[in-house]
Amino acid sequence: DGGITQSPKYLFRKEGQNVTLSCEQNLNHDAMYWYRQDPGQGLRLIYYSQIVNDFQKGDIAEGYSVSREKKESFPLTVTSAQKNPTAFYLCASSVAGTGGLPLHFGNGTRLTVT
Amino acid sequence: KNEVEQSPQNLTAQEGEFITINCSYSVGISALHWLQQHPGGGIVSLFMLSSGKKKHGRLIATINIQEKHSSLHITASHPRDSAVYICAVPIMNYGGSQGNLIFGKGTKLSVKP
Repeated sequence: DGGITQSPKYLFRKEGQNVTLSCEQNLNHDAMYWYRQDPGQGLRLIYYSQIVNDFQKGDIAEGYSVSREKKESFPLTVTSAQKNPTAFYLCASSVAGTGGLPLHFGNGTRLTVT
Repeated sequence: KNEVEQSPQNLTAQEGEFITINCSYSVGISALHWLQQHPGGGIVSLFMLSSGKKKHGRLIATINIQEKHSSLHITASHPRDSAVYICAVPIMNYGGSQGNLIFGKGTKLSVKP
């Protein structure tokens, strides 16, 4: 079955360390996205990519970086510059050119930074 | 100002009750997406609709483009329906690029046996 795999499910880091969250999809989707979810808030877009080797900043890109070297993979690095990194991170994908709908989501990574 | 508003924020129902969750938006849209987030955090797509009504099992989604309003109904609710329900709409012409959605904050549904 096709889908999106995020790993790990839970991640713990010390403040000041960079950490990379994995996202892999086998849906053959061109577009991939990273969202952040905080309690009581809607999902917010961090970065998205419509095609390999290209990506765009979303609403809250500061303190994050991404790469898109392969169609299947869109890893997110949470850098030490991100002031409040503790959150639930969701990766998603879609067929390009559809306005981002419908989205297919991974199961998320819960990052805790202490 | 959040351009996608959901109501209610929290909803508790008894098993078997008919559930309605509402979503209002202020931007022009081509389609609207209803999502379900389970307690573990994973999100699944329920519906994508641009007009009228769609039905899948006990779930029904309706949309009125003129009134900028959509509803998600659950008939004969069951405890396994307990989840957060989220609506999302695409932003038209976001910086000339596609891909950004505005998400509602979600409606947390709890169905008691």
